[in-house]
Amino acid sequence: AQSVSQHNHHVILSEAASLELGCNYSYGGTVNLFWYVQYPGQHLQLLLKYFSGDPLVKGIKGFEAEFIKSKFSFNLRKPSVQWSDTAEYFCAVKTPFILTGGGNKLTFGTGTQLKVEL
Amino acid sequence: ETGVTQTPRHLVMGMTNKKSLKCEQHLGHNAMYWYKQSAKKPLELMFVYSLEERVENNSVPSRFSPECPNSSHLFLHLHTLQPEDSALYLCASSPTVQQGNQPQHFGDGTRLSIL
Repeated sequence: AQSVSQHNHHVILSEAASLELGCNYSYGGTVNLFWYVQYPGQHLQLLLKYFSGDPLVKGIKGFEAEFIKSKFSFNLRKPSVQWSDTAEYFCAVKTPFILTGGGNKLTFGTGTQLKVEL
Repeated sequence: ETGVTQTPRHLVMGMTNKKSLKCEQHLGHNAMYWYKQSAKKPLELMFVYSLEERVENNSVPSRFSPECPNSSHLFLHLHTLQPEDSALYLCASSPTVQQGNQPQHFGDGTRLSIL
């Protein structure tokens, strides 16, 4: 079965520090990759996505992620975090449905809780 | 405002109760999803509907019963739940289930507590 691993469950950074959150997936076929963010008390929001082309993807709020196919990785980065980036971050991978063999379903990682301190 | 509305936001119920969670999307999407979010676990996909037809059922216990009367509405009927079913239940929608590059739009979720 497909799986998504986020190695850092809790990250604490000071403002202006650089951020890198790891994400690895197990599916060997063509995938579409996503990072979602969930701010405290809010719904899941799309941060960025990769489906083809340039493996370095720019997202909202200064976030970017790099798809490295050989490493099955899609790490999220931000050069300088802000207090407002405190949130939980989820990596997700789209793979075909098990039952139908067609269509796509999202498989999520366990999430990384980021706390940015002033 | 995501265009996906879930009600109620919070629900407390006993193990013998019957209740329903409701999801409505105003985005004109054809695919809708139910997820379960438990602490320290990945979001678990429960059910997927495409044009009101169920296309995925991820080994979910029969005490959870989904219903999709039309492409804008999705229900999750709950019956004789267990304490381990306490979680945040998230609804999502996307234009279709086929296109991999389409993100899913999530609702705020229903926080369910089983006494």
